[in-house]
Amino acid sequence: DTGVSQDPRHKITKRGQNVTFRCDPISEHNRLYWYRQTLGQGPEFLTYFQNEAQLEKSRLLSDRFSAERPKGSFSTLEIQRTEQGDSAMYLCASSLQGGNTIYFGEGSWLTVV
Amino acid sequence: KNEVEQSPQNLTAQEGEFITINCSYSVGISALHWLQQHPGGGIVSLFMLSSGKKKHGRLIATINIQEKHSSLHITASHPRDSAVYICAAQLGGGADGLTFGKGTHLIIQP
Repeated sequence: DTGVSQDPRHKITKRGQNVTFRCDPISEHNRLYWYRQTLGQGPEFLTYFQNEAQLEKSRLLSDRFSAERPKGSFSTLEIQRTEQGDSAMYLCASSLQGGNTIYFGEGSWLTVV
Repeated sequence: KNEVEQSPQNLTAQEGEFITINCSYSVGISALHWLQQHPGGGIVSLFMLSSGKKKHGRLIATINIQEKHSSLHITASHPRDSAVYICAAQLGGGADGLTFGKGTHLIIQP
């Protein structure tokens, strides 16, 4: 499978714990995006990378959130000191710079209890 | 305020009916995407439009740049078309930070 893959698909964690999600984009794609989606809403943009550089961050990305893409390939999204309001699906997507088609992963569901 | 508005939010129809989902946006865009999301989360890109009309199988997408409006049509709808359909506005020259609508939850009953 050469699509965008995300891991884990589901995570249940206790409030206050840290969680990390991983995204492996399509291999030749240099742009990688993270979105968050809550029930009944469309996805909301969090951040995006061009290669290893994080070019834009939404104000939704509080100080407890950090994203990295150290080698310009896979990316991680870490949430520290999770809160119940962080419960959502975290979607990753990738595309080519200047390309118009964006490919989405299956998403990582987070439930904070 | 969401800059991308979809209607209807929910739609239930009988198998075989012609389906129309509408999307309006308030800013200038370089392209508009129609996406399909099934229960469990996975999103599939259906169309990317910058002008005119595109067709793929039973799906047709149109866009009117002047009116800032796009529609997704499904002909001869089938229960397997049941999903959430999301339109997303692309502001930059590439796939930069899409702005999504809230989605239209479509149920096709047999």
